[in-house]
Amino acid sequence: EPEVTQTPSHQVTQMGQEVILRCVPISNHLYFYWYRQILGQKVEFLVSFYNNEISEKSEIFDDQFSVERPDGSNFTLKIRSTKLEDSAMYFCASSPKGQNTGELFFGEGSRLTVL
Amino acid sequence: KNQVEQSPQSLIILEGKNCTLQCNYTVSPFSNLRWYKQDTGRGPVSLTIMTFSENTKSNGRYTATLDADTKQSSLHITASQLSDSASYICVVSARGSTLGRLYFGRGTQLTVWP
Repeated sequence: EPEVTQTPSHQVTQMGQEVILRCVPISNHLYFYWYRQILGQKVEFLVSFYNNEISEKSEIFDDQFSVERPDGSNFTLKIRSTKLEDSAMYFCASSPKGQNTGELFFGEGSRLTVL
Repeated sequence: KNQVEQSPQSLIILEGKNCTLQCNYTVSPFSNLRWYKQDTGRGPVSLTIMTFSENTKSNGRYTATLDADTKQSSLHITASQLSDSASYICVVSARGSTLGRLYFGRGTQLTVWP
């Protein structure tokens, strides 16, 4: 069964360092998303991406965050200068269509620990 | 403010028993409500999606209900199994927003004991 895959599964970094989290969405999907979940907290929407541009972003997704689809398969989330509060599980998701009632498929997540 | 609240925060039941999880939301205008199951350290997996016109929806041993008037939903799990131990998350979407713009509850942590 097709699935969304994320790498790395866990990354530890020093505060101020740049981090890139990678996602391979399901191959025929066109819409891509990033979410984060701080330990013990709710899952929070970060950004949605379609047709090589951001469709919508939340207030969390500030200038230190960026997303990119550098080739036909990868979808990346870059955090430019990490802060302690960026420590969280980051989930990538994809969907074949963008209608509001569509199905979302989540990856297993990448755990980021900022020291 | 668009919010999703779930209760109880955690629940322990014996294998084979039934349970019901609750969700209240203030997301407006409402589009649809989803229930997800999230195993520890894994991504959420969809159980049901319900739109405004749907009152109940089943997926195997999972049955979700929706009352759009009172803005409440419930997830009923029948004949629980050890593998049902997970966090169950209520997620609501607002009409007019993009698909991924979802509002998540904090989840109910269900533990099923043998």
